[in-house]
This record gives sequence, structure tokens and C-alpha cells, in this order.
Amino acid sequence: EAQVTQNPRYLITVTGKKLTVTCSQNMNHEYMSWYRQDPGLGLRQIYYSMNVEVTDKGDVPEGYKVSRKEKRNFPLILESPSPNQTSLYFCASSWAGNTEAFFGQGTRLTVV
Amino acid sequence: GENVEQHPSTLSVQEGDSAVIKCTYSDSASNYFPWYKQELGKRPQLIIDIRSNVGEKKDQRIAVTLNKTAKHFSLHITETQPEDSAVYFCAASIGGYGNKLVFGAGTILRVKS
Repeated sequence: EAQVTQNPRYLITVTGKKLTVTCSQNMNHEYMSWYRQDPGLGLRQIYYSMNVEVTDKGDVPEGYKVSRKEKRNFPLILESPSPNQTSLYFCASSWAGNTEAFFGQGTRLTVV
Repeated sequence: GENVEQHPSTLSVQEGDSAVIKCTYSDSASNYFPWYKQELGKRPQLIIDIRSNVGEKKDQRIAVTLNKTAKHFSLHITETQPEDSAVYFCAASIGGYGNKLVFGAGTILRVKS
């Protein structure tokens, strides 16, 4: 089954404790991206990747890192999480930036 | 930066009525305009999209129209049903190669039965 898988689904952590949210897709998509969803603000792009080893900043990249060492995986790293990074995070993949995006199930992160 | 504005933020309609959601975009190079539906607690899923070389596209009860001159596009849902209740997001590709999708803030649609 074609899918985008994120882990974990829920995470509560403390300020400053490094964490990684994993994202994996099995559709051989070139393009992957991370979004955060906050009430009233829609989906805002954090980072995107057009292919292996090619990443670029989205609209809200501060406080986040990504890597794309393999085509299928695109982890999101928070080196020192802060409470303002409490949000719902979605990973998405697509053939290109202007084709249908398939979203993962979401990760609800709470930083206390 | 480039942005997409979406209106209204909430919309209540009676079952069977039509619903219209409107978006405007700022980048004249945008060439791809998808609409996503997000049910409560679930992931966004594409319901319809349109490219800049097309003015209108229909799929059963939903349709999207695009006015490139005015830089706005709209989602039309006819004969609304309770299962249409969800949050709807419009988006526009940014940049010549469409490397980014910028989303609107979303519209909460409630269909009252």
C-alpha cells in the first residue's frame, strides 16, 4: 500500500531535549516536505527536499533541521525544542513540488 | 514573501445547499492550485486540483475555477452533505518550478442536516 509513515504519532518532551521525527515513503517520490499546522495559520512549510542530498528552507525553518540521505526517508530534527514548537507536524511526499502531495498521519508534539 | 489568502474562515450551510470558498495568491508564476480536505483528526487529502492552463475543472459535486488575471481561485461544492464537513485548504505553487506549496489558513465547513 502506497503510504507516508511518520513516527511517533504523539510526543511530549521537555525544553532543550533533542528529538527526531521520522518520515518514510514507499512511492519512490522525489519531493518530500515538512509542515507544521497551527490553528488559524494553516499548513506552513518548514523544509523541503527535491531529491537526495538536496534540501531547502520553507517559510518557518528556524529551530529545525532535516536531512535526506536516502530517497525514502526525510527526518525532522529539533536540536533544542522550545514551547513555541508545540504543534501538529505533517510530512508529505510527491513527484514534484507542483503535483499531488501525500501526507503522513501527523505527529502531535508538545514541548513543556 | 508569497502568500495565499483564504476566505471565509468558517462557513455553515444547510444540507443540500452549495458552498463556495475563495483564495487569492500573490505569485504570478504560480501554476498549480490544489485543494485539500482535512477531516477531524486526520491527514489532509487532495480533493481536486487545477493547473494554470485550465480555467475550470469539475469532479462530480466539486469544481474549481481559476482566474489568472485576478489571481484568485475558488472551490465550489454543490448539494452539500454532512460528510462534507471538514477543514478545506487551498494552496498555490510558488516559483517557476513549483518547488514550494503555500497553503491558505483553511476554512471550516459545517454542513447542517
